[in-house]
Amino acid sequence: AQSVTQPDIHITVSEGASLELRCNYSYGATPYLFWYVQSPGQGLQLLLKYFSGDTLVQGIKGFEAEFKRSQSSFNLRKPSVHWSDAAEYFCAVAPPPGGNNRKLIWGLGTSLAVNP
Amino acid sequence: GAVVSQHPSWVICKSGTSVKIECRSLDFQATTMFWYRQFPKQSLMLMATSNEGSKATYEQGVEKDKFLINHASLTLSTLTVTSAHPEDSSFYICSARKAGAHEQYFGPGTRLTVT
Repeated sequence: AQSVTQPDIHITVSEGASLELRCNYSYGATPYLFWYVQSPGQGLQLLLKYFSGDTLVQGIKGFEAEFKRSQSSFNLRKPSVHWSDAAEYFCAVAPPPGGNNRKLIWGLGTSLAVNP
Repeated sequence: GAVVSQHPSWVICKSGTSVKIECRSLDFQATTMFWYRQFPKQSLMLMATSNEGSKATYEQGVEKDKFLINHASLTLSTLTVTSAHPEDSSFYICSARKAGAHEQYFGPGTRLTVT
């Protein structure tokens, strides 16, 4: 079955520290991969996406993610976390073109807290 | 670009009444719009997918007669919760996707409280 796993429900880091949020997927073929962030009172915002090509993708707000086919992973990273990064982070996958079902499959999310 | 709005941002209604939520793509044409429901501290649950000019496709377990979805134009979709009950209280989120695109752009959500 198609699924997305975010193993960490909640993570706390200190401001200025590095961050890595994990995402693993189970899918028949390499899907399209996304990271979204949901801040309190705001809608989900697309941080970055991977379709093909360079496996290290750069996103907004200083985030990057690396696609590793062998590990079926798409982990999100940031070298230095800011207090404003505290939010809920969701990993999602979508079938590649040609599939009949183009819905996003969502992970359960990782809640990030940032200590001053 | 790719801004999606929702209105209202929050609404309180009495049990048995209906409430309509609007979702608009402000600066692009959305051939497909999605409606999600999100429970506290949980992920998004897809309710239905709507393509402009077509009937919505509902996910298993979602009552289409209760959650009426209309996608009459390339910039507007509406979700009407009919005969609302307290258990319908939730956070409803819409998203929109451009033709040929793969990513979805999300509205800020609507908090519905049914008393």
